[in-house]
Amino acid sequence: GAVVSQHPSWVICKSGTSVKIECRSLDFQATTMFWYRQFPKQSLMLMATSNEGSKATYEQGVEKDKFLINHASLTLSTLTVTSAHPEDSSFYICSARDSLGTPSYEQYFGPGTRLTVT
Amino acid sequence: AQSVTQLDSQVPVFEEAPVELRCNYSSSVSVYLFWYVQYPNQGLQLLLKYLSGSTLVKGINGFEAEFNKSQTSFHLRKPSVHISDTAEYFCAVRGGAGNMLTFGGGTRLMVKP
Repeated sequence: GAVVSQHPSWVICKSGTSVKIECRSLDFQATTMFWYRQFPKQSLMLMATSNEGSKATYEQGVEKDKFLINHASLTLSTLTVTSAHPEDSSFYICSARDSLGTPSYEQYFGPGTRLTVT
Repeated sequence: AQSVTQLDSQVPVFEEAPVELRCNYSSSVSVYLFWYVQYPNQGLQLLLKYLSGSTLVKGINGFEAEFNKSQTSFHLRKPSVHISDTAEYFCAVRGGAGNMLTFGGGTRLMVKP
């Protein structure tokens, strides 16, 4: 089946620094990738949708200058948390949608990245 | 707009007992329905999906779900659970022009020995 990887799986950074999370579709092309945020014991909240080669579309309430998303190729999207603060600590999950146009447009999820800001 | 409601935030059950996790949705258009499982500190794994056709859908790990259009429900069932089924389960719906996935709040299944 389709595989999505994320790197790193966990990261600890100091307040005020920036951290980059990579999301890769390993065996399929993904014109669209999604970034989700999940707080403990809560559901996934969509942060933004990125289409290859164009600017990401952010959900209401998500700071686009703080969460920079780049989708430069059909297999790679990155999320950069700039000037991180402790309240940015969370579990970040990416998802990629197969661009071949199957009727279900199924999304495949990465394993997640645990970010802790100290 | 679409929404998903998972009626139970937690479901405790003894090992080898049957279980049902409830999911109701609302949407003004036809939908695709999904159930995902999430183990601690992991991403989401697709259990099963309903796209069209038979309303009874079978998935991995012995789970199945039934799509009920009149009741706008997509409940997940398993006849006999194992300790290893302990996890968070999310119901999700996709519909509308944007084809965005909308998740329910999740149900924590706790299987006790």
